[in-house]
Amino acid sequence: DAKTTQPPSMDCAEGRAANLPCNHSTISGNEYVYWYRQIHSQGPQYIIHGLKNNETNEMASLIITEDRKSSTLILPHATLRDTAVYYCIVRPLNAGNNRKLIWGLGTSLAVNP
Amino acid sequence: KAGVTQTPRYLIKTRGQQVTLSCSPISGHRSVSWYQQTPGQGLQFLFEYFSETQRNKGNFPGRFSGRQFSNSRSEMNVSTLELGDSALYLCASSLGGGFDYGYTFGSGTRLTVV
Repeated sequence: DAKTTQPPSMDCAEGRAANLPCNHSTISGNEYVYWYRQIHSQGPQYIIHGLKNNETNEMASLIITEDRKSSTLILPHATLRDTAVYYCIVRPLNAGNNRKLIWGLGTSLAVNP
Repeated sequence: KAGVTQTPRYLIKTRGQQVTLSCSPISGHRSVSWYQQTPGQGLQFLFEYFSETQRNKGNFPGRFSGRQFSNSRSEMNVSTLELGDSALYLCASSLGGGFDYGYTFGSGTRLTVV
């Protein structure tokens, strides 16, 4: 599975958009980009995923560059409850073997009042 | 619907002891995966069980073992505990093991070895 690179930490003002970048320059053609987040002392929570088109759901938007080498997770109106560690992961959809999945340390997002 | 339930939530053990952690998956999910999370290492894959069989295994010593029951509930066991085993242990359940919408984590068991 491809490896991703994320900034270790970011800050965002409450009510503003939070834009979290992720670099995945070695992504393969069949690999999707997944985003999870982990609020302190809880398990990771699924946010969104995509292949090459931009995606949006009730939680966030995912923008993937045309060459697919990087992506940005956008939280349009960040709240204090969005303070968490955000993980960007790439892997094939429904691939059964997670043994080689690399989670990395993610980006710690602090939303400030 | 009920989520993934892990018990106990917190645990303190002494070096050399053994510990058993439990994970009840979402109803209908047949795959249960276990992860170890430490501050400097992130999430490390331990193993995955599907229909009572271990399907995948990470790079952990044999002191770490697990099993899955016919109702898909899973347990993991750590024998001869070491200080370095202190971590958050997470399980995730899914329909088939795929990393898709159904891949849901529990809140974890915080194990402290003293």
